[in-house]
Amino acid sequence: DAGVTQSPTHLIKTRGQQVTLRCSPKSGHDTVSWYQQALGQGPQFIFQYYEEEERQRGNFPDRFSGHQFPNYSSELNVNALLLGDSALYLCASSLGLAGAPSSYNEQFFGPGTRLTVL
Amino acid sequence: AQSVTQPDIHITVSEGASLELRCNYSYGATPYLFWYVQSPGQGLQLLLKYFSGDTLVQGIKGFEAEFKRSQSSFNLRKPSVHWSDAAEYFCAVKGFQKLVFGTGTRLLVSP
Repeated sequence: DAGVTQSPTHLIKTRGQQVTLRCSPKSGHDTVSWYQQALGQGPQFIFQYYEEEERQRGNFPDRFSGHQFPNYSSELNVNALLLGDSALYLCASSLGLAGAPSSYNEQFFGPGTRLTVL
Repeated sequence: AQSVTQPDIHITVSEGASLELRCNYSYGATPYLFWYVQSPGQGLQLLLKYFSGDTLVQGIKGFEAEFKRSQSSFNLRKPSVHWSDAAEYFCAVKGFQKLVFGTGTRLLVSP
């Protein structure tokens, strides 16, 4: 049973460019969340996709956008890259939404994509 | 809004010694709390979680954590550290459809 997979593993871009990162969820999962982990920091929530729609968004500018496909895989797109976008981007998958305070659907994390912006 | 504080950026422990990593949270209701471990170049692996019930929770790799509501804490412990435990440890609290992480504690294990 494959876990969460992400591609590419590493990526180097220059300022102003655009980048697309990809995530395949764990088998049976239908929800994908993206997190940004800057060096020396904890992961920060970017957004979550369920049923091909963005359901929740963290404090990230519109340069960060995403997409979820019918097979539940997801892409994270970042436009007009800044040096500060250099980070490890983590994808997490889960089954269903767990917005209610009394519910939780465990998130399984992929290995991440290391993005370096020069 | 939910928040997590991990006051120790680095901790060095001798192999075989006990370990305690501190975590304080801010949350209005009963929190869902987690500890994750991240080895270099790896994603996050869930060590243990607390939702309700017994305040002492057992996890994988011999780790345990104790939820103390009065102190807003969820400290991670291990009685005897192994060299393979060297990694970054993150405490997290469940928010609305997301996890809110602390800044992490890097554990170094000395021979």
